[in-house]
Amino acid sequence: EVQLVESGGGLVQPGRSLRLSCAASGFTFDDYAMHWVRQGPGKGLEWVSGISWNSGKIGYAASVKGRFTISRDNAKNSLYLQMNSLRAEDTALYYCVKDKNYDSGGAFDYWGQGTLVTVSS
Amino acid sequence: QSALTQPPSASGSSGQSVTISCTGTSSDVGGYNYVSWYQQYPGKAPQLMIYEVSKRPSGVPDRFSGSKSGNTASLTVSGLQAVDEADYYCSSYAGSNNWVFGGGTKLTVL
Repeated sequence: EVQLVESGGGLVQPGRSLRLSCAASGFTFDDYAMHWVRQGPGKGLEWVSGISWNSGKIGYAASVKGRFTISRDNAKNSLYLQMNSLRAEDTALYYCVKDKNYDSGGAFDYWGQGTLVTVSS
Repeated sequence: QSALTQPPSASGSSGQSVTISCTGTSSDVGGYNYVSWYQQYPGKAPQLMIYEVSKRPSGVPDRFSGSKSGNTASLTVSGLQAVDEADYYCSSYAGSNNWVFGGGTKLTVL
């Protein structure tokens, strides 16, 4: 059974940093691309960032480019999101998401339950 | 990276069919056959319903179907059931390792 468990969310002040982690199990982690997708309170889904199986291809939404960094450790079956210079508009539930493919152009076939990030003074 | 355009709401009577549209551009929906659809119940994580425009993952009822014409993709739910009442989101690959979602459609079963 595929499991994606996010951690690292919490309350943080504007301008500070936070690092999210996602522990994956139930599938061969290094065979698939992975993503972070967020959902603000009462809002729709927003793709944040994605990384290919070997970290060779990485993409970011324009809203986070230059502030967020995605990474993965295939030896630890883990995905990360380093979030710097956080803003109030980054407040959201952050989902760790598995891709159907190893590279680009896939679909999001498994989702974690999310970790809540609240940016407020 | 503008969001794809979906109607905020859609509705249909039990047993009927309803179609939800998802309009993008030639840089996303129209440029790739990587359109997918997700169902989300309140307080729950989204679930993949359709991928690569019209493919259904194992376990998704065949009442759900997808299609695409030009820059607009569509999700059709046939034989509407109460359990289909949820939010639906489309997504498309947008090139250069980027993806984009639609704003979401709240489906009501009358």
